[in-house]
Amino acid sequence: AQKITQTQPGMFVQEKEAVTLDCTYDTSDQSYGLFWYKQPSSGEMIFLIYQGSYDEQNATEGRYSLNFQKARKSANLVISASQLGDSAMYFCAMRTTGANSKLTFGKGITLSVRP
Amino acid sequence: DGGITQSPKYLFRKEGQNVTLSCEQNLNHDAMYWYRQDPGQGLRLIYYSQIVNDFQKGDIAEGYSVSREKKESFPLTVTSAQKNPTAFYLCATSGGYRVPQETQYFGPGTRLLVL
Repeated sequence: AQKITQTQPGMFVQEKEAVTLDCTYDTSDQSYGLFWYKQPSSGEMIFLIYQGSYDEQNATEGRYSLNFQKARKSANLVISASQLGDSAMYFCAMRTTGANSKLTFGKGITLSVRP
Repeated sequence: DGGITQSPKYLFRKEGQNVTLSCEQNLNHDAMYWYRQDPGQGLRLIYYSQIVNDFQKGDIAEGYSVSREKKESFPLTVTSAQKNPTAFYLCATSGGYRVPQETQYFGPGTRLLVL
């Protein structure tokens, strides 16, 4: 079974600084994808970044980058130059490939950006 | 504008009543999903459909039902058998041309409250 673990308590960061949100995962599959989503107080889940298990380079999307360490089964999200609008819940998720594979979510991390 | 719409934004259910949550998409995505989110928790999969006229149970399907008669629509019915329906319900789609195709995109959600 797939499992995503996000254990950090609420995180705080000063505006314009970088922050790392931790995510570890567990799967016996060799082929899988890792996703990060942002959920602001409005509730909508916003897709941020994706990392495939066979990707050799860490994924980057603007201010978001994914620190992928396959041997450690970790996929940490790095947000550079934090903005007040980054205050939200952040969810790590994993999807294995194959028929009827599903997206498994962690419990999320709350990030608050201080002015 | 391409997107996913969910209605209503808030829904109130009386004891013993069935209620239906709407999810419509014009992204031309093949797959659609329903998730439930409880406070402080990640998302749990209720049902999903990878093609019209076919759907599969997720992890917490008991007390829910779905239909997929059209590609654009995937309504979720919360039946009276669901004893604790108060939650935030999110609909998602996947399968477009953007890479990776398994990336799920979410609607704005429906908040269901029991009177």
